[in-house]
Amino acid sequence: AQSVTQPDIHITVSEGASLELRCNYSYGATPYLFWYVQSPGQGLQLLLKYFSGDTLVQGIKGFEAEFKRSQSSFNLRKPSVHWSDAAEYFCAVGNDMRFGAGTRLTVKP
Amino acid sequence: DAGVTQSPTHLIKTRGQQVTLRCSPKSGHDTVSWYQQALGQGPQFIFQYYEEEERQRGNFPDRFSGHQFPNYSSELNVNALLLGDSALYLCASSLGTREQYFGPGTRLTVT
Repeated sequence: AQSVTQPDIHITVSEGASLELRCNYSYGATPYLFWYVQSPGQGLQLLLKYFSGDTLVQGIKGFEAEFKRSQSSFNLRKPSVHWSDAAEYFCAVGNDMRFGAGTRLTVKP
Repeated sequence: DAGVTQSPTHLIKTRGQQVTLRCSPKSGHDTVSWYQQALGQGPQFIFQYYEEEERQRGNFPDRFSGHQFPNYSSELNVNALLLGDSALYLCASSLGTREQYFGPGTRLTVT
């Protein structure tokens, strides 16, 4: 069955520290892969996407993600977190956009 | 360039009633998808419309129906509302199967 797993429900990092949010998927073939961010009470904003080609993709707000076929993973990274990055992050997979349950990021001053 | 817009912003309905939510896609987009996001959860795919036809459907009952108009705007209808239908309903638009852009959502409360 197709599924998307975000193993970390909640992550807390200090401002300026690096960040990695995990995403694993189960899919029939290499799917389209996305990361979205959602601030409280808001819609979702696309951070980055992977369709094909270079497995390291750059997104907005200094985020990047790496597709690893062998691990069925698409982890999101940022080298230095800002307080404004505090939000809910969702990984999504496929044309029908199956979403993970999300990871809530808290940033400590 | 206006992004995806949704109306209304908030809505309160009573069990058993019917509701219609509306979505206007981003300019240039021809595909509209609808999602239900319950509190504390990720969005769940309801269905997708392209060329005025339902192209894909998630695991939602027939109480959930939709429509796409010639101008690509879309409506989501939910009949016989249940308490469990309370959620944020998100509309997303795309050009074909490319990345989707989301609207701010409609918060539906069923009492």
